[in-house]
Amino acid sequence: GDSVTQMEGPVTLSEEAFLTINCTYTATGYPSLFWYVQYPGEGLQLLLKATKADDKGSNKGFEATYRKETTSFHLEKGSVQVSDSAVYFCALSDLGGGSEKLVFGKGTKLTVNP
Amino acid sequence: DAGVIQSPRHEVTEMGQEVTLRCKPISGHDYLFWYRQTMMRGLELLIYFNNNVPIDDSGMPEDRFSAKMPNASFSTLKIQPSEPRDSAVYFCASSQRPGLAGGPTDTQYFGPGTRLTVL
Repeated sequence: GDSVTQMEGPVTLSEEAFLTINCTYTATGYPSLFWYVQYPGEGLQLLLKATKADDKGSNKGFEATYRKETTSFHLEKGSVQVSDSAVYFCALSDLGGGSEKLVFGKGTKLTVNP
Repeated sequence: DAGVIQSPRHEVTEMGQEVTLRCKPISGHDYLFWYRQTMMRGLELLIYFNNNVPIDDSGMPEDRFSAKMPNASFSTLKIQPSEPRDSAVYFCASSQRPGLAGGPTDTQYFGPGTRLTVL
């Protein structure tokens, strides 16, 4: 079945550091890929998405590129801020494979120190 | 739009009691999902509905859990009887699949969650 594997945290960085959170997937069809973010005490929010190979999703300085050849969707940000401290979830949706469900990774907790 | 609305935000109950969690999806969304989040198990999909009809309830942990969607704007998740191991944050999410002209969209929008504590 479909699955998502993401880098396990926690990850602790200093402000303005470069961030990478790795995410790889397996899917039977041609999935859409997502990064969701969960701030403390809140629900998940969509951060960015990509629907086909080589697409780049971007939002709030975060980027991720859909790499079909490596089945990856790594999240990057050039300079993190304290306000980026949150849990980040990689996910896929395999509509082409006949499922409306989102398959989530286990989440990566990011802490950014001033 | 107000987004997905869940109530209550916090619930504390004693073992054996019935618990009902409520969700109002975003207007016009066809799909509604119930998730449970714990430290140990992460985020788990419990059940989801399409046009008020349950499509997949394979994630419902046991018969003590039931979910209904009597209309397009309301869903409930009920636990009866509740147990301490049910303590978790329960999220509701909704999504929309427009018709052929718009193409499918699979982004889910999450509510703020209900934090359930069973003593």
